[in-house]
Formats: sequence, C-alpha cells, structure tokens
Amino acid sequence: GQSLEQPSEVTAVEGAIVQINCTYQTSGFYGLSWYQQHDGGAPTFLSYNALDGLEETGRFSSFLSRSDSYGYLLLQELQMKDSASYFCAVRGGTGFQKLVFGTGTRLLVSP
Amino acid sequence: DVKVTQSSRYLVKRTGEKVFLECVQDMDHENMFWYRQDPGLGLRLIYFSYDVKMKEKGDIPEGYSVSREKKERFSLILESASTNQTSMYLCASSFPRKSSTDTQYFGPGTRLTVL
Repeated sequence: GQSLEQPSEVTAVEGAIVQINCTYQTSGFYGLSWYQQHDGGAPTFLSYNALDGLEETGRFSSFLSRSDSYGYLLLQELQMKDSASYFCAVRGGTGFQKLVFGTGTRLLVSP
Repeated sequence: DVKVTQSSRYLVKRTGEKVFLECVQDMDHENMFWYRQDPGLGLRLIYFSYDVKMKEKGDIPEGYSVSREKKERFSLILESASTNQTSMYLCASSFPRKSSTDTQYFGPGTRLTVL
C-alpha cells in the first residue's frame, strides 16, 4: 500500500521560514504534490516534484529526494494568510492517475 | 477560469436514506474523483473515474457507488446513509498526464450530516 507521514501542526511567526516535511512509502512513484487548504475552503495545488531537487514558485519551494522517500515544502516570508493546512500527496502505486494524500499539517502563523 | 461545482454545500439526511451528491466540471477533464475528508485522516479516495461509464474503487468504497454518464458529471451515491458517513465530501477533476503533474481541481465540498 501507500502511506505518507507529515507533522500534524507547525507554528511560526510572520516573516519567518517554515519547513513542512513529508515521508512516504509507495510501491511505485511518479511524483510528490503539495496542496493548500484554508479552513472551509477547497484544496488548491501548490507544487509538484517528479525529480530530485528543489522547485521554486515565489515564496514557496518544494524539495524531493526519491532515494530517501522524502520531500518538504518550504514557505518563506510567512504571511498571516499562509495559515492553512498543507497536504503532501503521492502519485504511485497501482496507477499514476490517483493521488494518495497525507493527513495534513496545520500551519498557524502568528503576528 | 477552471471550475468544479458541487450540488450542495450542506446536506442533512436521515439514516437509511439514499443520498446523491453531484459534481460538475467545465474543464473537459477525463479524470474525476470523490474524496471524503475527516479530521486527522486527511483526504481519502472513495472512487474515481477516468472516462465516461468507467469507474475504479479507491481506498474506502464500501457503502458508496458512483455514476458517470457524461464526461462533465460525476455522482456519488450513498445507497443507505449511515451515521459514520457524516463527513465532508470533496469532488475533484484532472487531465491525465503521466510525465508531469496532473493538478487536481477541487470543488467547494459538501458537508453531509447523517442523523
């Protein structure tokens, strides 16, 4: 089967940098995605890594190490609006079209 | 603008009722998904469909069925609702790409309460 582990909660202050880790186990692997979900809202796509290394999109970056089955989401210059839940999700296993999601990390940004 | 809509934001049903949750996407996507989201459990895949009239079970299909008669519409059916099906239900769609990201676009969700 497939499983993902990520911390349940992370707290930080405005302007800081925070890293949300994700480790995964899957029988096959196509890529690791990150989604953001504000309270009461729908998950929205943030980033995707298929190959090892760092992908940068503005204040957000995502990293993947396939040999370690590990990735992280890095959020820089934190803003209050970044308070949300962040989910890692892996494409793999029996089909490339499905995603298996982690249980989510709740990020609380304080002033 | 990409859009996935769900028929209701909130729904209250009684145990044993048949419940239909509708999802419509306007992006001509092949793939459509139904998830349920519960606190501490993340998003769990119930069923997905990769083409009209095609469906595959996800991780938690028990107690649910689905229907996809048209490309843009994917329905989730609870044949006989039970209290343990009280949850947030999220629909998503994507265009299948093997070699790059296949971003899933989510609807706003339906919060179903079964009494």
